[in-house]
Amino acid sequence: DGGITQSPKYLFRKEGQNVTLSCEQNLNHDAMYWYRQDPGQGLRLIYYSQIVNDFQKGDIAEGYSVSREKKESFPLTVTSAQKNPTAFYLCATSGGRAITSTDTQYFGPGTRLTVL
Amino acid sequence: QKEVEQDPGPLSVPEGAIVSLNCTYSNSAFQYFMWYRQYSRKGPELLMYTYSSGNKEDGRFTAQVDKSSKYISLFIRDSQPSDSATYLCAVRVRGGTSYGKLTFGQGTILTVHP
Repeated sequence: DGGITQSPKYLFRKEGQNVTLSCEQNLNHDAMYWYRQDPGQGLRLIYYSQIVNDFQKGDIAEGYSVSREKKESFPLTVTSAQKNPTAFYLCATSGGRAITSTDTQYFGPGTRLTVL
Repeated sequence: QKEVEQDPGPLSVPEGAIVSLNCTYSNSAFQYFMWYRQYSRKGPELLMYTYSSGNKEDGRFTAQVDKSSKYISLFIRDSQPSDSATYLCAVRVRGGTSYGKLTFGQGTILTVHP
């Protein structure tokens, strides 16, 4: 897991509630990512951010929101508009810019969200 | 059609066996190839990273890429019970607006039994 922390480890939400998942890193990496993992499926990209105060939608951004006010932090909010939010959520970081060919992503330990 | 296809298994082998895990991809723009290992209820950890066709070896692990066939493989020699995990292949384009975005296969669940 390195220098990436995610909290909480387990989270329970009632329908209609918004919840925020935390992701913090001390790796001094520029880019941060949020993925969702469902049983039998690979990781699907929700949002990513290459630099502070900038972020882009991934493949499944509907019902989610993010912010990137600090380099170290990239919180994900799961809103009530997300119809099927129960999943394992993974935060990742990568260190360099596009010209760095050896750049790759490192993952946090994940947060398991369950909607009751 | 998914951009990356991976047989989800599950795959069960005896200790000491050679394991072969495979993925195919459809987009020739993918230039970088990775294998991650994920233990149950944990985040994925990077095992292998390569960007050229051919083989790359690291201990008991060998990653193989065939860009002409759009086929990537991970071989595990002398498999151990501690290798029991889900193995995810991932691909990435080089630079541009898709910088950093990984596309993952479904993951293959591997069990190595004593």
